Amino acid sequence: QQQVKQSPQSLIVQKGGISIINCAYENTAFDYFPWYQQFPGKGPALLIAIRPDVSEKKEGRFTISFNKSAKQFSLHIMDSQPGDSATYFCAASIGGGFKTIFGAGTRLFVKA
Amino acid sequence: DVKVTQSSRYLVKRTGEKVFLECVQDMDHENMFWYRQDPGLGLRLIYFSYDVKMKEKGDIPEGYSVSREKKERFSLILESASTNQTSMYLCASSIPGGSYEQYFGPGTRLTVT
Repeated sequence: QQQVKQSPQSLIVQKGGISIINCAYENTAFDYFPWYQQFPGKGPALLIAIRPDVSEKKEGRFTISFNKSAKQFSLHIMDSQPGDSATYFCAASIGGGFKTIFGAGTRLFVKA
Repeated sequence: DVKVTQSSRYLVKRTGEKVFLECVQDMDHENMFWYRQDPGLGLRLIYFSYDVKMKEKGDIPEGYSVSREKKERFSLILESASTNQTSMYLCASSIPGGSYEQYFGPGTRLTVT
């Protein structure tokens, strides 16, 4: 199975709160799990990524938690800011990055 | 800074027209990709190319073809546009191996009437 299931579809968080977006995959051959951030009128841009041999990766306010046995990974945005309002896509890659399956996306709105 | 540019931001075409979407990257990347983005479906891969004149089908190639005559340029062709091809089209590039990171262009919003 090549799907990557992402939830929720949309999320509203208060400024300063924690935003959490979840993804699940089925193919254990995936070896790279990126999160992309997309602002209106722009293409997606890589935010943070993790390999399956690591359970957590943190970059500033953004953290990926990875659960290999459950085949799930999530993005946590700490101290969410209005500037974080965007659409977030999780993804899973295989085959040297040629095959990347994207989740359906989560529209995040951070209220000031 | 990697730059991926797409020839048009907005395009309106009629059913049955042949449509060309152009993508150019300036970082000498070997790999290039075409995706379409639809609400609730995320990004779906149409075609990718790992070298000049080389191409591989993605998940939804039906109704599309591609051309890569130069390393920096990757074109998506809709042979006979249909209304169900109304979508946002995103081009991306990457280097083989390494981080797998894809660099995306701003997208072309295509409307077929």
